[in-house]
Amino acid sequence: KQEVTQIPAALSVPEGENLVLNCSFTDSAIYNLQWFRQDPGKGLTSLLLIQSSQREQTSGRLNASLDKSSGRSTLYIAASQPGDSATYLCAVITDSWGKLQFGAGTQVVVTP
Amino acid sequence: GAGVSQSPSNKVTEKGKDVELRCDPISGHTALYWYRQSLGQGLEFLIYFQGNSAPDKSGLPSDRFSAERTGGSVSTLTIQRTQQEDSAVYLCASSLAALAAGQYFGPGTRLLVL
Repeated sequence: KQEVTQIPAALSVPEGENLVLNCSFTDSAIYNLQWFRQDPGKGLTSLLLIQSSQREQTSGRLNASLDKSSGRSTLYIAASQPGDSATYLCAVITDSWGKLQFGAGTQVVVTP
Repeated sequence: GAGVSQSPSNKVTEKGKDVELRCDPISGHTALYWYRQSLGQGLEFLIYFQGNSAPDKSGLPSDRFSAERTGGSVSTLTIQRTQQEDSAVYLCASSLAALAAGQYFGPGTRLLVL
């Protein structure tokens, strides 16, 4: 059974510091991995989607890597800003129906 | 519309009552998913619709939960005889091609069962 784990559960950094968020999964047979952001009381905003054949994806200050063989993905956010404060969730798809299986999330606070 | 919309945004009901939650997916998206987010369980899959295929109901927690999708577009999630443990945020997502393009989520419906 696939299990998705995110460590740490919470993280606080001063503005300008780089953020490193970790996601691990137990079954390497995934179709893709998606990173989301969730603001309090809001839905999920898709940040990056990495196909199983890819090793990384980049969008602006965000970079996500994927190592399927070791069951790990890392989301890097460069030069963090207070507006980056949110909960970050990773999710994997392990069947052709596309159902997402989520980690519990990392709550990030960026202090001015 | 521009994104996935859900209604109502908040719902308070009494234990034992039935509730209906609505999801309008992004126009043209053939795949539609319902998820539930609760404090103790995190985000969990409930049900999946793809075109005219039979839905995948494997995530529904009990037979009090059901969902339908009319005309391949709007979906309604119904919870009968609500219980306090049904209190959660119910999220809907749609996708054009989930394996290639990912899923896009609505703002959710916050359900509180008193």
